[in-house]
Amino acid sequence: DTAVSQTPKYLVTQMGNDKSIKCEQNLGHDTMYWYKQDSKKFLKIMFSYNNKELIINETVPNRFSPKSPDKAHLNLHINSLELGDSAVYFCASSQTGLTDTQYFGPGTRLTVL
Amino acid sequence: AQSVTQLDSQVPVFEEAPVELRCNYSSSVSVYLFWYVQYPNQGLQLLLKYLSGSTLVKGINGFEAEFNKSQTSFHLRKPSVHISDTAEYFCAVSEAAGNKLTFGGGTRVLVKP
Repeated sequence: DTAVSQTPKYLVTQMGNDKSIKCEQNLGHDTMYWYKQDSKKFLKIMFSYNNKELIINETVPNRFSPKSPDKAHLNLHINSLELGDSAVYFCASSQTGLTDTQYFGPGTRLTVL
Repeated sequence: AQSVTQLDSQVPVFEEAPVELRCNYSSSVSVYLFWYVQYPNQGLQLLLKYLSGSTLVKGINGFEAEFNKSQTSFHLRKPSVHISDTAEYFCAVSEAAGNKLTFGGGTRVLVKP
């Protein structure tokens, strides 16, 4: 059984388009995250939700909008895509707070042309 | 603000040889420390974590790390590596009263036969 799943795995799109990445966890965790990993493998948190409430919103352009319809899902919508948005986006979840292990999804490789 | 430095971006090592990956952090308060591994084209997986107590932490796959508060370090070691240990390794820190993980830049371990 997949603990944290993301769709799609690959996403290739043109500049200016709007796209969404979906994330689901079946671990019963309360907290979910979105991370961005750039071409140099640098990993940075973007958002964190706890029980559908936004906890962390790093300095991310407001073109990025997370949505949590329930605590098992955290989707990421990106408007007006730019070349610099090309990266691998990882969803993760943890039971509650920072002492708990974060479980990562397989990643979504976004390429903006 | 917390930060993490992984001093080596790449570490080549022969199979069955020992390996040490260095991690130094910067924080003025109590911290939690983590090592994650990322195998090619996969998400991150927790190797081990230090929350409190014994400074020597044992993790999965034969890895261990030692927390050294005076040197603000959390180096990862394995006495004998396998080809399957080829991966990217990330050190991460969170402040005990904070709300997010900060990752280092990663160390790529390449195990040669």
